[in-house]
Amino acid sequence: KNQVEQSPQSLIILEGKNCTLQCNYTVSPFSNLRWYKQDTGRGPVSLTIMTFSENTKSNGRYTATLDADTKQSSLHITASQLSDSASYICVVSADGAGSYQLTFGKGTKLSVIP
Amino acid sequence: EPEVTQTPSHQVTQMGQEVILRCVPISNHLYFYWYRQILGQKVEFLVSFYNNEISEKSEIFDDQFSVERPDGSNFTLKIRSTKLEDSAMYFCASSEALAGDLGQETQYFGPGTRLLVL
Repeated sequence: KNQVEQSPQSLIILEGKNCTLQCNYTVSPFSNLRWYKQDTGRGPVSLTIMTFSENTKSNGRYTATLDADTKQSSLHITASQLSDSASYICVVSADGAGSYQLTFGKGTKLSVIP
Repeated sequence: EPEVTQTPSHQVTQMGQEVILRCVPISNHLYFYWYRQILGQKVEFLVSFYNNEISEKSEIFDDQFSVERPDGSNFTLKIRSTKLEDSAMYFCASSEALAGDLGQETQYFGPGTRLLVL
């Protein structure tokens, strides 16, 4: 069964600090991996997307890495801001003909405090 | 920037009643999706829709659920006889394409409809 596990479950950091969120997946065959940001009560918003051949992808202060061999990804946030407080969800897409399904992790709830 | 919109933002209903959740996908998108997120849990895929028919559905999407694109803009999710466990946030999403260009297959999510079944 396709699964996505994220850690930590929650994280509190001081404004201006960096942090790294982890994602492990068992989705097969792998197509791509995305990190989404979900503000409370809102829909997820795509931050980065990576395919099998990509090791790293940046979007401003967000940098995602992917190790397809170990089936691990990380999202690094630099110089955190209060507005970064949200859930960060790792989403993996399987490469199957006609399969549209995304497998979501439970997310890491990040709180940035002044 | 174009966005997916959903109405209503909140819906409270009695168990056994029918509800219709509405979504307006991004105008040039061709693929539409419904997801749900029970409070405190992960987002779960319900159904995908293309060319006026269901493309794929999960085991959650049983006979009490149906989807429809009644006109050129709206995409609806109907729950025929709601149950307490249907209480969740329901997200609509759309994408330009299914596969190929990663930008085109990115799914854009609406803000969600919070459904509460009493």
